[in-house]
Amino acid sequence: SQQGEEDPQALSIQEGENATMNCSYKTSINNLQWYRQNSGRGLVHLILIRSNEREKHSGRLRVTLDTSKKSSSLLITASRAADTASYFCATHGQAGTALIFGKGTTLSVSS
Amino acid sequence: NAGVTQTPKFRVLKTGQSMTLLCAQDMNHEYMYWYRQDPGMGLRLIHYSVGEGTTAKGEVPDGYNVSRLKKQNFLLGLESAAPSQTSVYFCASRQGVSYNEQFFGPGTRLTVL
Repeated sequence: SQQGEEDPQALSIQEGENATMNCSYKTSINNLQWYRQNSGRGLVHLILIRSNEREKHSGRLRVTLDTSKKSSSLLITASRAADTASYFCATHGQAGTALIFGKGTTLSVSS
Repeated sequence: NAGVTQTPKFRVLKTGQSMTLLCAQDMNHEYMYWYRQDPGMGLRLIHYSVGEGTTAKGEVPDGYNVSRLKKQNFLLGLESAAPSQTSVYFCASRQGVSYNEQFFGPGTRLTVL
């Protein structure tokens, strides 16, 4: 069963705008990760946030985690055409050895 | 380092045929995973391994078998392919229990007619 659910399913923006994607999950977690997948390629790890963290930054990425609401958000600032991809959240359970992925958000950035 | 590689990249099978997908990693990672990705479904875990000689079932293991005879290789087998197994298959590896990031291969696109 899918743990994470991303929202929205699809997002279209202009270059320079910010993109926000949300992820909700069902059970307690050890950490939550975001991955990017370019069309026809494998997934690439973007950022990890642990259950005791509330916010994390990496370059133009900002991730927040609210464990009380079982939700996370990924913000990409000043989007570029190269950010066009699908973005997935994935969770690691407390005793889990495998990630559980959501269905993804497809982001289109037009120039 | 090549990272995680998958062989083949594309394959077309007829119903009932068998095949093996090969995943290889050169990072000396302990954990390896096989996922399938279907439109609108995200990635679903088929089988995984936490070390050489070990395997475990994931969310959707039926119709698949795996083996991890060598640490660097993780094989996914389809004994009797069915159209429902048409999918894109991804292999991933992870260094170990203290490291959370997974590294993915480029995928194998399988069509079962």
